[in-house]
Amino acid sequence: KAGVTQTPRYLIKTRGQQVTLSCSPISGHRSVSWYQQTPGQGLQFLFEYFSETQRNKGNFPGRFSGRQFSNSRSEMNVSTLELGDSALYLCATKREGTSNYGYTFGSGTRLTVV
Amino acid sequence: AQTVTQSQPEMSVQEAETVTLSCTYDTSENNYYLFWYKQPPSRQMILVIRQEAYKQQNATENRFSVNFQKAAKSFSLKISDSQLGDTAMYFCAFQETSGSRLTFGEGTQLTVNP
Repeated sequence: KAGVTQTPRYLIKTRGQQVTLSCSPISGHRSVSWYQQTPGQGLQFLFEYFSETQRNKGNFPGRFSGRQFSNSRSEMNVSTLELGDSALYLCATKREGTSNYGYTFGSGTRLTVV
Repeated sequence: AQTVTQSQPEMSVQEAETVTLSCTYDTSENNYYLFWYKQPPSRQMILVIRQEAYKQQNATENRFSVNFQKAAKSFSLKISDSQLGDTAMYFCAFQETSGSRLTFGEGTQLTVNP
């Protein structure tokens, strides 16, 4: 079966611009979470969406936002980019149910802000 | 808030040998999940093994096993018969039973030498 698909793989943007990243979950996975990975801060939780609703949110400024569509695909948006937003952005999805088999991750989008 | 600590930034092991990666965590919850993920240079986080806190039996997955000490809040990963393909960054992660976010440790870079 197809895995979690994140697009694009790489992105270079200029300070002040905005960017949109996409995540398509595995079929049947309705929960989508986003993480930011940097060498200094490690892996940090951004937010989680389920059934088109934000269910949980991390400690990031309002410049970071997301949404989920009816087919469970999710996008995250970062506005007014700063140099510190350069990071690997990972999407993680899982099936809701009685057992927690863990999240399946995509290969990430490497964002570079110049 | 939960915290996860991996005190070994880097480790190396000879092919076919056994290595143990350490992880400690802090929580006031009684029920939760613990995971080990590996992240090879391809960037995709891959689930290695999971442990449910209410299960006293240590989880095993082929060459991978854990030593879960709930009272000590310790969750180490043992890799037996190490293979070159095990070379990766390994992350320990915590998740509340009722929550959705993963809290990650800083990671341990494991290198398997031929």
